[in-house]
Amino acid sequence: SAVISQKPSRDICQRGTSLTIQCQVDSQVTMMFWYRQQPGQSLTLIATANQGSEATYESGFVIDKFPISRPNLTFSTLTVSNMSPEDSSIYLCSVERGGGYTFGSGTRLTVV
Amino acid sequence: GDSVTQMEGPVTLSEEAFLTINCTYTATGYPSLFWYVQYPGEGLQLLLKATKADDKGSNKGFEATYRKETTSFHLEKGSVQVSDSAVYFCALHNNNDMRFGAGTRLTVKP
Repeated sequence: SAVISQKPSRDICQRGTSLTIQCQVDSQVTMMFWYRQQPGQSLTLIATANQGSEATYESGFVIDKFPISRPNLTFSTLTVSNMSPEDSSIYLCSVERGGGYTFGSGTRLTVV
Repeated sequence: GDSVTQMEGPVTLSEEAFLTINCTYTATGYPSLFWYVQYPGEGLQLLLKATKADDKGSNKGFEATYRKETTSFHLEKGSVQVSDSAVYFCALHNNNDMRFGAGTRLTVKP
């Protein structure tokens, strides 16, 4: 399965600031997925990132709040903008490989 | 739409006890089914999967059988260890869409 390097692994941020999370995959993939896992909750898909086009956002998520870049087939970033304490979550990137999904190790974000 | 329902936690067991975490699904067509595990402070790891009816996925002593007649994919392990303490997520993949259950927290005590 694919190997995904995600960073940072954790961060504590001040409200009103932005944080950019990076995901690097060890091979080319068409789609990369960004998920949010709020404390004690399951995973919620934020958006799907395709190389060369705008990301597709799920209901409840907007580009201004969660801008995504996908400059090539092995890399993507998710920015959490103008953060508030409600954005405190684990953010995970994922790719589909071999009939399953592989996840990065996650970014644990705390907004204070 | 497609959905996954899994047993609510938390589940607390003694070491060497038998584990069952129930998972049922609703889906059109022929989804693939997965169990993921999330150890404390880490991301999700694929534990096992099954891609068609009657397939049995297995890994690290865990097993789950894809039962189309009961739309279930229950996770079992015959003898749990303290190191199995984690959150377990049942998931399905269908038509380029991935759905996760709410997660079940397992704590195994020595």
